[in-house]
Amino acid sequence: AQSVTQLGSHVSVSEGALVLLRCNYSSSVPPYLFWYVQYPNQGLQLLLKYTSAATLVKGINGFEAEFKKSETSFHLTKPSAHMSDAAEYFCAVIGSGTYKYIFGTGTRLKVLA
Amino acid sequence: DAGVIQSPRHEVTEMGQEVTLRCKPISGHNSLFWYRQTMMRGLELLIYFNNNVPIDDSGMPEDRFSAKMPNASFSTLKIQPSEPRDSAVYFCASSRTVEGYGYTFGSGTRLTVV
Repeated sequence: AQSVTQLGSHVSVSEGALVLLRCNYSSSVPPYLFWYVQYPNQGLQLLLKYTSAATLVKGINGFEAEFKKSETSFHLTKPSAHMSDAAEYFCAVIGSGTYKYIFGTGTRLKVLA
Repeated sequence: DAGVIQSPRHEVTEMGQEVTLRCKPISGHNSLFWYRQTMMRGLELLIYFNNNVPIDDSGMPEDRFSAKMPNASFSTLKIQPSEPRDSAVYFCASSRTVEGYGYTFGSGTRLTVV
C-alpha cells in the first residue's frame, strides 16, 4: 500500500534562510506526488505536483520539489523563507490507477524574524 | 472559477441535533471527496463520489454520518445525531477523474458540537 512519511512535525527557520521540508514515499512504481499548504483557518492549497514529466517541479510562492526515485523522496524547498510562508505543509501521494490521496501527517513551518 | 464552495463556514450546535454541511464542487470536476481534520487524527477521508455515485465510504465513522450527491453540482454531509466528538473541520474537495490531476479543496466548515 502507498504511504508517505513527513519527517519533522515542526520546523523552524529564520526569515531569509533555506526551507527544507522532507517527504518520503513508499511505492514500487513512481506515483503522483503533491505538496499542499494550509494557512490558518483555510483549506489546503496545491503548491506543486509531480506527474513524471520532470523530476524538478516548480510551484507557487517560490517553492520547488525534486523527485528522487533512488531515495524515494520528494522534499520541498525554498531558497529564502518569508514570514508569509508560516503554515502547515502536507505531502500526498496517489497511486497509479487510484484517485485516493494518502496524506502525510503534516509539517508546521515557523518562520522566525 | 469560484473554486469549491462550502457552507456554512462555522457551525455550532448542541449535542443530539442534526447537522448538514454543504459543498458545491468546481464545474467539470466529476470526483468529490469529504475529509475531516482534527488535531488528533489529522486528515481523514470520509467518502469519495465519482460521477455522483459513492465509490468508497469506508471512512464514514458511524451510521450517524451520511452523505449524498444528488447532482454534479451539490453534495451534503449529514450528521444525525451529532456528538461532541464530531467537532472538527470538514473539508470538501473536487477533482477530475484524470490520473495525477490533483484535488481542489474548499475552505472547510468548522463544526463545534457542545
